[in-house]
Amino acid sequence: EPEVTQTPSHQVTQMGQEVILRCVPISNHLYFYWYRQILGQKVEFLVSFYNNEISEKSEIFDDQFSVERPDGSNFTLKIRSTKLEDSAMYFCASVRGSNEKLFFGSGTQLSVL
Amino acid sequence: AQSVTQPDIHITVSEGASLELRCNYSYGATPYLFWYVQSPGQGLQLLLKYFSGDTLVQGIKGFEAEFKRSQSSFNLRKPSVHWSDAAEYFCAVGLTGTASKLTFGTGTRLQVTL
Repeated sequence: EPEVTQTPSHQVTQMGQEVILRCVPISNHLYFYWYRQILGQKVEFLVSFYNNEISEKSEIFDDQFSVERPDGSNFTLKIRSTKLEDSAMYFCASVRGSNEKLFFGSGTQLSVL
Repeated sequence: AQSVTQPDIHITVSEGASLELRCNYSYGATPYLFWYVQSPGQGLQLLLKYFSGDTLVQGIKGFEAEFKRSQSSFNLRKPSVHWSDAAEYFCAVGLTGTASKLTFGTGTRLQVTL
């Protein structure tokens, strides 16, 4: 089965630093997502991306967050100035059509110290 | 706004026993419903989904779930649990027409004793 690939699997950073989380969605997929899961809490939708622009974002996705698809294969999430409360598991997901099966990556565990 | 409730935070069953994980949702229309499983260090794997039609849906790994509109429920079942089923299980709801933007429940951690 095809996979969504996320790197790194674990990232540690200092508060205030910028981080970029990387994802390689499945090659023929058109819709891309970031979700996050704070330890012990539910998985939360952050942002969806289609046709090279954000199609929807949650209230969590403030000005500190940005997403980009810099080339035909990568999909990145940037946090400009990390805060302690950004510590979470971040999941990338992709899907070919909006009503089809959503494939998740294995996540990047971000630890902000 | 839609919401999902998984009332059981932690469930322990013996290997070979049957399993039912509860999920209730709140949404004005007929939702798209999903069950995902997350093993330690792994991503979210789709077990099964309900979009429309037969209210009893079959998934992978021997799981099934039944959509009951009158109870706003989508409980996950398995007749005989295996030790490898120990994981975190998430119920999720998607809006009609946009099944990819999901609202998740808080999850149920399943422990299997031998």
